[in-house]
Amino acid sequence: ETGVTQTPRHLVMGMTNKKSLKCEQHLGHNAMYWYKQSAKKPLELMFVYSLEERVENNSVPSRFSPECPNSSHLFLHLHTLQPEDSALYLCASSQAPFDRYSNQPQHFGDGTRLSIL
Amino acid sequence: QKEVEQNSGPLSVPEGAIASLNCTYSDRVSQSFFWYRQYSGKSPELIMSIYSNGDKEDGRFTAQLNKASQYVSLLIRDSQPSDSATYLCAVNKGEGNAGNMLTFGGGTRLMVKP
Repeated sequence: ETGVTQTPRHLVMGMTNKKSLKCEQHLGHNAMYWYKQSAKKPLELMFVYSLEERVENNSVPSRFSPECPNSSHLFLHLHTLQPEDSALYLCASSQAPFDRYSNQPQHFGDGTRLSIL
Repeated sequence: QKEVEQNSGPLSVPEGAIASLNCTYSDRVSQSFFWYRQYSGKSPELIMSIYSNGDKEDGRFTAQLNKASQYVSLLIRDSQPSDSATYLCAVNKGEGNAGNMLTFGGGTRLMVKP
């Protein structure tokens, strides 16, 4: 139990479908992150919400749309995805503002394994 | 040039030996560095963080940072088969209200053989 819960754990969808990934953290953090982990590629930071404001959008295609209604919940809305979007999508949370001397690591959820047909 | 580089491995060491994992980074202004461990099919978990040049020890783990050489390493003493996993090096590229934005290396797969 990491304190960060992601649902669903597995998702198979067609390229024309619309679906959403959900993340919930029970750690009292106020920053949340979406990462993409593809085979043989490093973890890629997609979006960051800190203090309920989006502070990073790392050149992610518009077919991915994040939503952060409050500091405990984060969504990733998906529409008209491509086969290359098949990957493990990881959510993480941490405390913000980040102070390197206060040991505020990111805590990850177990991820959603997404397959695009 | 990749921002954070690691040898993908696998790095194979016998049980009880020291495993040495290396990472280089390209952005000289990076200030915070992290090692995560990821078991197959699981999420990354934090092993060590280091911010100052030199060594930082925590149990069987020692992180080493050399900012002049843009190099960070992780030593695992008395390696155990349960240490077999992929080790991810991460570098912080934002602080303050931006939270803890990390750039990850591709990871090094470690195999500890009984």
